[in-house]
Order: sequence, then structure tokens, then C-alpha cells
Amino acid sequence: QVHLVQSGAEVKKPGSSVKVSCKASGGTFSSYGINWVRQAPGQGLEWMGGFIPIFGTADYAHKLQGRVTITADESTRTAYMELSSLTSEDTAVYYCARLQGGDGYNYPAAYWGQGTLVTVSS
Amino acid sequence: QSVLTQPPSVSGAPGQRVTISCTGGSSNIGAGYDVHWYQQLPGTAPKLLIYGNRNRPSGVPDRFSGSKSGTSASLAITGLQADDEADYYCQSYDSSLSGHVVFGGGTKLTVL
Repeated sequence: QVHLVQSGAEVKKPGSSVKVSCKASGGTFSSYGINWVRQAPGQGLEWMGGFIPIFGTADYAHKLQGRVTITADESTRTAYMELSSLTSEDTAVYYCARLQGGDGYNYPAAYWGQGTLVTVSS
Repeated sequence: QSVLTQPPSVSGAPGQRVTISCTGGSSNIGAGYDVHWYQQLPGTAPKLLIYGNRNRPSGVPDRFSGSKSGTSASLAITGLQADDEADYYCQSYDSSLSGHVVFGGGTKLTVL
């Protein structure tokens, strides 16, 4: 059984950066893509970007390009999402999710982390 | 504004059938990309409900079904139960510049 465990809640100042981790257990880490999805309070799901291990490449949502960096460390089975130049609009719960395929993003996400609340406040 | 359009809310009485629509365009659903549906209970992570337009993961009751036609998809829930009350999201792939993965804005299902 695949299990994704994310790092704990963060409180950040405007203008700073945050890095959220997502450690996988079970399954084959390098065979499946990872999405990062966020959800602002009372709002819907927003795709931030993802990582495809077999290509070693990350892709990002257009509106976040330049501020978000997604990486993965196969040796520790951990994916990371770093978001910079934080504003109050980045306050949200951040989720990692494992795709059911490994060669692109046209797959569903069957496994999700528990979510990490990032609060941006002065 | 989401790339995929869902009604903000739907409601139904216990035992009834409800449907939730998900309307996209020529660069996502209309281009033939699969639609997936997620259920999100309050305070929890989304749960995969339907994948590949109409397939149910193991453990999802057959009261939940999905369909797709043209540029739209639908989620149907029959025999409505109180614990079906949740937010539901559709998701697809988009080939335009807006991004690879697109979600609907979500639909709040209220069981009356």
C-alpha cells in the first residue's frame, strides 16, 4: 500500500520561501509521477506542478512559473515543493499526490498526502 | 476561473439520484483526454472516486458512476446517502499553455 507523508504546518512571512516535503512508502517511487496541488481556504483545488521521475523533469502551472520548484530524491523516496516570494494569497493547504502513471500527467492521482497548511502572515 | 466548469452546488434527498456536470473545451475533455473525479470530505485530502471517465477504484460503491461525451463529463450518484455530502471535483489534462492538469471549481453536494 502506498502512503505519502508530508512535512508539518508552516508559518511564513511575506516575501519568504517555503519548502514542503512528501515522503513515499510502498510501491515503486521512480515509476510514477507526482503532482502538487494546493487549496486556499474555502476554495477549490489548484494544480501547481508535477515531477516525472523517469524523465527527471518538472512542469509547472503557468501562473506559478518562476516561483515554484519541484524536485524529487529517489534515494529517500521524497518529493519536494518550494514556493518563493510568498504573499498572503499563497496561504493554503498543499498536497502531494502520486499519479497512476509514470510518463506524463494524463493520469489520476490515487494516493494523496495528508496536506500541509502553509500560512503567510506578517 | 477554472478551466473546467462545474455547478457550485447540487442537492438531493436520501435515496435520490444526483448528477454533477463538468464542462471543458477543445484542449482538454474535447481533445479526448480522460476525466477523473475526486470526493473531498471536510478537512480531508481528496479521494479518487472515478478514473478514466467511468472506472471505479476498488472500494468505491457502484452507486457512483461517470460518463463523458464531447466536451463534457458527468458524475452520477444514486441512492444518495448522508455521508455522500462532500465536495466533488473533476480533473482532466489540458494541452494549452494554461497548464497540464486542470480541475473543475468543485461542486458542493448537500444531502437534504
